[in-house]
Amino acid sequence: AQSVTQPDIHITVSEGASLELRCNYSYGATPYLFWYVQSPGQGLQLLLKYFSGDTLVQGIKGFEAEFKRSQSSFNLRKPSVHWSDAAEYFCAVGAHNTDKLIFGTGTRLQVFP
Amino acid sequence: GAGVSQTPSNKVTEKGKYVELRCDPISGHTALYWYRQSLGQGPEFLIYFQGTGAADDSGLPNDRFFAVRPEGSVSTLKIQRTERGDSAVYLCASRQSIAGRGNEQFFGPGTRLTVL
Repeated sequence: AQSVTQPDIHITVSEGASLELRCNYSYGATPYLFWYVQSPGQGLQLLLKYFSGDTLVQGIKGFEAEFKRSQSSFNLRKPSVHWSDAAEYFCAVGAHNTDKLIFGTGTRLQVFP
Repeated sequence: GAGVSQTPSNKVTEKGKYVELRCDPISGHTALYWYRQSLGQGPEFLIYFQGTGAADDSGLPNDRFFAVRPEGSVSTLKIQRTERGDSAVYLCASRQSIAGRGNEQFFGPGTRLTVL
């Protein structure tokens, strides 16, 4: 069955520190992978996606993610976190035929000044 | 350009009542999705429309839930005999026509449904 696991429910970092949010997936074929961000009262916004090709993908707001097939992972990284990055982050896998998204439970990021 | 819009933004109803939630997708997007996000959870897929037809309704939890998209644009999610467990944020998303290429889904702000 298709599934996404985000092991960290809540992460706290200091502003300027580096960040890595973990995501593991289960999917029968090469997955389409996404990272979305959800700020309080805001809709889901796409940060980046992996479809094929280069396994290191760049996104908006300085985020990047690396697809590692051997580890079934798609971790999100940012070298220096800003206070405005505080939000809920969701990893998702997309079904090939319908593009419906299967989301993880999310990781809440808190940033201290 | 306009994004995905959803109305109402908030809906409070009583147990057993009927509710309708509306989604206006981005103009020209033929694919439309409904998701439900319960507190502390990620969104869960409910139903997918390609044009006017429901191409995948495997996520609808039971027969109290129904969705339509009669003209291939606006969609309405209908919930009969609401239960307290239906309380959640209902999200709508739309996408350009070609499936299977990881095209981005654009999400609306959601409708927060509270069943008392």
